[in-house]
Amino acid sequence: SFKLTQPPSVSLSPGQTASISCSGDKLGDKYVCWYQQKPGQSPVLVIFQDDQRPSGIPDRFSGSNSGNTATLTISGTRAMDEADYYCQAWDGSTVVFGGGTKLTVL
Amino acid sequence: EVQLVESGGGLVQPGGSLGLSCIVSGVGFSNYWMSWVRQAPGKGLEWVASIKEDGSEKYYVDSLKGRFTISRDNGNNSLHLQVNSLRAEDTAMYYCARLVGYVAFDMWGQGTMVTVSS
Repeated sequence: SFKLTQPPSVSLSPGQTASISCSGDKLGDKYVCWYQQKPGQSPVLVIFQDDQRPSGIPDRFSGSNSGNTATLTISGTRAMDEADYYCQAWDGSTVVFGGGTKLTVL
Repeated sequence: EVQLVESGGGLVQPGGSLGLSCIVSGVGFSNYWMSWVRQAPGKGLEWVASIKEDGSEKYYVDSLKGRFTISRDNGNNSLHLQVNSLRAEDTAMYYCARLVGYVAFDMWGQGTMVTVSS
């Protein structure tokens, strides 16, 4: 079955650029979404169709997808960006989520 | 403004059943695929099932086929999930989510908690 793999955690200082990877077989042939989830809250869509931002999502969030890896990039990371981030793709008949990456802003 | 509000969760014994519901306010419910996504305590997101706008197509994660049934009532703007033969590993927050475009969940409810324990 199709699987998406994310690093368990990423840590950085405020103002730095965060890159969170999501890998899967021929992932570049599929559309990837990214969700942000803060403790006790429901997930929020931050990127869809690889690199599109929903209304209201700051432009410091960007996405890319090529080959076997999709990447969520957060430029100028802020303390408020500290959260769990999940990638997600559609495998033809099933929806697959990555295991999630905990972003810590030190 | 679109809002999704889940209900029906609770404490249930192993082997028991529950009916989860999600009421969607705002226009356009019948124009969207809808889904259930769950999250076990301290764990990641797991897609459960999705249903087409008119209910004619349904998809389930393989591991839950046969125990979970997704349905919808467009007249009442509601989404449902019947969960049977519950196991401890089904303990999770169950979210209702709207599916758009190339499979993205753009709206989520606050979730309803299902706890399976004796």
